[in-house]
Amino acid sequence: QSALTQPPSVSGSPGQSVTISCTGTSSDIGNYNRVSWYRQPPGTAPKLMIYDVSNRPSGVPDRFSGSKSGNTASLTISGLQAEDEADYYCSSYTTSSSYVFGTGTKVTVL
Amino acid sequence: QVQLQESGPGLVKPSQTLSLTCTVSGDSISSGRSYWTWIRQPAGKGLEWMGRIYTSGTTNYNPSLKSRVTISADTSKSQFSLKLSSVSAADTAVYYCARDPAALDAFDIWGQGTVVTVPS
Repeated sequence: QSALTQPPSVSGSPGQSVTISCTGTSSDIGNYNRVSWYRQPPGTAPKLMIYDVSNRPSGVPDRFSGSKSGNTASLTISGLQAEDEADYYCSSYTTSSSYVFGTGTKVTVL
Repeated sequence: QVQLQESGPGLVKPSQTLSLTCTVSGDSISSGRSYWTWIRQPAGKGLEWMGRIYTSGTTNYNPSLKSRVTISADTSKSQFSLKLSSVSAADTAVYYCARDPAALDAFDIWGQGTVVTVPS
């Protein structure tokens, strides 16, 4: 299975909004609302930020929001903060009863 | 507080079998509420889902690794394990275990990860 496609990097100034896209196929994102997003600062384990396309786990700020259209999911970070600087990965369930991750996006706060 | 902790050898010789164990505390791997998952990440690269096990013993594997991966569980020890056969340098990575609650379809609790190196 091929990794979902994300932009290698996005950047923004504090307070701005950034959006990360995650493009898959009709065998994964397009077929299920089982898309999740993870934040991974350097040297640490990933942390769940969004599940089922747009739901936030307890404790995740509402600055983080998710959406999906067709085979593409998106994560938007509003009110960008220095602590948001990290790598971000999307993930989707697939028709092979497996999961696939995205290629990862580095978010830089200018 | 749910915690997962990976353990196992940090160095595995080429062509041998990599074996790792994940010990779960604060939750029951036999509750039927979650899948228990292995994910890996080569240095400087992205995440790769390897496979998962459910309380019934049902397993699902990454199609690209299916011929080499086996995941099993020991509920009496609250542990689940990963075996990856015929390893090569390409299998050098940080290996994570994670919880995948059936109600979330996502990985909500992760271990800290363990580095496994296969020399070339």
